[in-house]
Amino acid sequence: EAGVAQSPRYKIIEKRQSVAFWCNPISGHATLYWYQQILGQGPKLLIQFQNNGVVDDSQLPKDRFSAERLKGVDSTLKIQPAKLEDSAVYLCASSLEASGGRYNEQFFGPGTRLTVL
Amino acid sequence: DAKTTQPPSMDCAEGRAANLPCNHSTISGNEYVYWYRQIHSQGPQYIIHGLKNNETNEMASLIITEDRKSSTLILPHATLRDTAVYYCIVRVEEGKSTFGDGTTLTVKP
Repeated sequence: EAGVAQSPRYKIIEKRQSVAFWCNPISGHATLYWYQQILGQGPKLLIQFQNNGVVDDSQLPKDRFSAERLKGVDSTLKIQPAKLEDSAVYLCASSLEASGGRYNEQFFGPGTRLTVL
Repeated sequence: DAKTTQPPSMDCAEGRAANLPCNHSTISGNEYVYWYRQIHSQGPQYIIHGLKNNETNEMASLIITEDRKSSTLILPHATLRDTAVYYCIVRVEEGKSTFGDGTTLTVKP
């Protein structure tokens, strides 16, 4: 079974530039998550999708971050404009379902390491 | 979701059992305890979860106290490849996962 795919793996940009990350979840997984992980900290949830609807985006800085999940499959996360403090690893995860099951194991991709100069 | 407290770091000798504690004193009755680990430069990996009863799988055992205010993840025979950051999370079935800073486990030869 293929895992969660993310691209690019690394990205270096200057502040005020724009950047986009792409995620392809595991086939059949209804729920997709984007996390931000700053060096030395645990992952912080930015947004959670159930199919193509947003379940939770309470920690997404909406003035500069946006995300979409067209057709309930792939997802993109965009930052515009980027700030120095956005330097982090951006992790995408997916799970089979968000509710109704006994548990909700999340499968994580390898992440995209963003450096903002 | 309830907050969890974990020691920032622990060491373990290779081949010995690694016991990683987690406090979750404000856990609610419908919140599960999940454990993930993150090996350097990789995404987190699910290990095990439980609600009330102790659980065991091929990777680890999870011991939850009777009052559910704390739990322990046990790696029965730690290897060098178990060196990672271990996260304890409590959440409801449909709730979000709030990761703390975890415990950095270093397995030494």
